[in-house]
Amino acid sequence: EPEVTQTPSHQVTQMGQEVILRCVPISNHLYFYWYRQILGQKVEFLVSFYNNEISEKSEIFDDQFSVERPDGSNFTLKIRSTKLEDSAMYFCASSGTRAADEQFFGPGTRLTVL
Amino acid sequence: QQPVQSPQAVILREGEDAVINCSSSKALYSVHWYRQKHGEAPVFLMILLKGGEQKGHDKISASFNEKKQQSSLYLTASQLSYSGTYFCGTVNSGNTPLVFGKGTRLSVIA
Repeated sequence: EPEVTQTPSHQVTQMGQEVILRCVPISNHLYFYWYRQILGQKVEFLVSFYNNEISEKSEIFDDQFSVERPDGSNFTLKIRSTKLEDSAMYFCASSGTRAADEQFFGPGTRLTVL
Repeated sequence: QQPVQSPQAVILREGEDAVINCSSSKALYSVHWYRQKHGEAPVFLMILLKGGEQKGHDKISASFNEKKQQSSLYLTASQLSYSGTYFCGTVNSGNTPLVFGKGTRLSVIA
């Protein structure tokens, strides 16, 4: 069964460093998403991406964040200068042909900023 | 606009039933239900679309009341494997993002 994959599973970085989180969405999906979940809290929407551009973003997704689909399979989230409060689980998700279709989540990347 | 879930937490004995509610202050296009076990990604349970029917599989079903802008998730004859945090996510129109509620922590004990 096709699934969303994410790498790395755990990333530890120093405050101020740049990190890139990688995702491979399900191959025939058209919509891609990044979510963040701080330990013990709800899943928070960061950004959605469709047709090679951002379609929606939340107020969390400030200038420190960017997304890219550098090739036909990868979808990346870059945090330019990490802060302590960026420590969280980051989930990538993808959905099929409509934005309102069910979303399938990857296993997540746990980001720890020291 | 974040949906409101209730209750925040519930403890059940195996075999008991539970209802988890999700409500929105804005008109809903669809409601999505996910279950997340500790340390894992959310897993899709079902989606209810505006104008659609009640959905369900096995002993988990859900309803969607468009007029009241509410959805309810019904878990019957609960099993230990049902334990986890249940999130509802709401979509207000066809292309707006999914917004999750704060979750309902369900614990099923033997």
